[in-house]
Amino acid sequence: EDKVVQSPLSLVVHEGDTVTLNCSYEVTNFRSLLWYKQEKKAPTFLFMLTSSGIEKKSGRLSSILDKKELFSILNITATQTGDSAVYLCAVVTSGTYKYIFGTGTRLKVLA
Amino acid sequence: EAGVTQFPSHSVIEKGQTVTLRCDPISGHDNLYWYRRVMGKEIKFLLHFVKESKQDESGMPNNRFLAERTGGTYSTLKVQPAELEDSGVYFCASSQPGLASYEQYFGPGTRLTVT
Repeated sequence: EDKVVQSPLSLVVHEGDTVTLNCSYEVTNFRSLLWYKQEKKAPTFLFMLTSSGIEKKSGRLSSILDKKELFSILNITATQTGDSAVYLCAVVTSGTYKYIFGTGTRLKVLA
Repeated sequence: EAGVTQFPSHSVIEKGQTVTLRCDPISGHDNLYWYRRVMGKEIKFLLHFVKESKQDESGMPNNRFLAERTGGTYSTLKVQPAELEDSGVYFCASSQPGLASYEQYFGPGTRLTVT
């Protein structure tokens, strides 16, 4: 059965810290991996990764995919209280468009 | 551009009753998805519409759940009769037409509580 595992489940840091969130997967016919941020309601898109070794960046956030070791990381540098959210990892397999989600990592950034 | 909207935001019903959830996707998005998150678990796929056709309904838990998308615009998800284990947050998402679009835009979800 296809599986996506995120770690840690939750994390508490102080403003200014750097965090690394992990997402590993075991799926057949991998197509893409996506990261979303969920603050209160709707998850919002962060990154989509399809190729290994190519870092995607957006401000203080960056992400990279390793298709050999079957994982991705999401880095957040110089964290701010506004980064507090649940970060969701999802995988899409070829031939379908449905997301297979991990349970998410709950990040809390303290002032 | 308006995002994906869902109605209601929260519904509390008794076991055995019927509830209908509605999703309005982003205008022009042919693809519409329903997902569900039950307490403590990951978000799970329910089904996928392309316009008014069900493309994939492999995640629908049982025949108490009925999804429709008449006219290819908004969608409804009816649960009849509701059971306690149906409680959770139901998310709708939409994406642009075409095979290349994997980015889905999510709605805020409907929290369903069955008592």
